[in-house]
Amino acid sequence: NAGVMQNPRHLVRRRGQEARLRCSPMKGHSHVYWYRQLPEEGLKFMVYLQKENIIDESGMPKERFSAEFPKEGPSILRIQQVVRGDSAAYFCASSSTGVNEQYFGPGTRLTVT
Amino acid sequence: ELKVEQNPLFLSMQEGKNYTIYCNYSTTSDRLYWYRQDPGKSLESLFVLLSNGAVKQEGRLMASLDTKARLSTLHITAAVHDLSATYFCAVDIGSGYALNFGKGTSLLVTP
Repeated sequence: NAGVMQNPRHLVRRRGQEARLRCSPMKGHSHVYWYRQLPEEGLKFMVYLQKENIIDESGMPKERFSAEFPKEGPSILRIQQVVRGDSAAYFCASSSTGVNEQYFGPGTRLTVT
Repeated sequence: ELKVEQNPLFLSMQEGKNYTIYCNYSTTSDRLYWYRQDPGKSLESLFVLLSNGAVKQEGRLMASLDTKARLSTLHITAAVHDLSATYFCAVDIGSGYALNFGKGTSLLVTP
C-alpha cells in the first residue's frame, strides 16, 4: 500500500511565476491536509479538504494561495505570483476520516529565486 | 493563539546517555502527537497520546502526557546514533484535524 505521494519533490520558481504542488492520498483516504514548514519552524496547518470540498482553509494566506481536491486525481495546492517568502517545504497529509491519525507525504520543497 | 513550545531546540548527546525533550502547550488539548523527521524526509508518527497520564513506549523512546500541566515529555534511554533526527510534538486543540506543531528538537547522537 503506497503512502502519501507528493510531486514534485523539489520545485524552483522565479518570483511572479506560479507553483503547483500535487498530493495523492493513501489508498482509501478521502481527507487531505496541507501544511507549510518554514526554515527552522514547525509545520503550520493551511487547509483541510475532502473530495470536491474545502472544509477549513483558515490557515491559508488570503491571497495567491488556493487548494482543490477534485473528484478524480490528486489534491493541488496552487500558489500564484510566488514571492521569496513562499520558499518552504509543503507537506500533504491524509487520513481515512476527519479525526483519525494523519499520514504525511515526503513534502515538496519550493524555492523561489 | 495556541503556542507549542519545545525545548531544547538542539540537543547533542553521547551514545548510551539518557535525555528528555519537553513539549509545553498553551491551551487545553484533546490529543498530542510526537513525530520524527529525518533530513529531507517526511514525518513519521511515533506516538499518539490521548489522555492525562498516558504513557507509551517504543524501543528506546517513551512519551508521556500531563494535560493538567499541559506538558508532554519524550524520554530517550541509552541513545544510539540511529535516533539522530528532528523530533516534533504536535497538538490538536479540538478541531480533530488541524495540528499545531512545535519548532522541533534537532537531536544528534554522537559516539
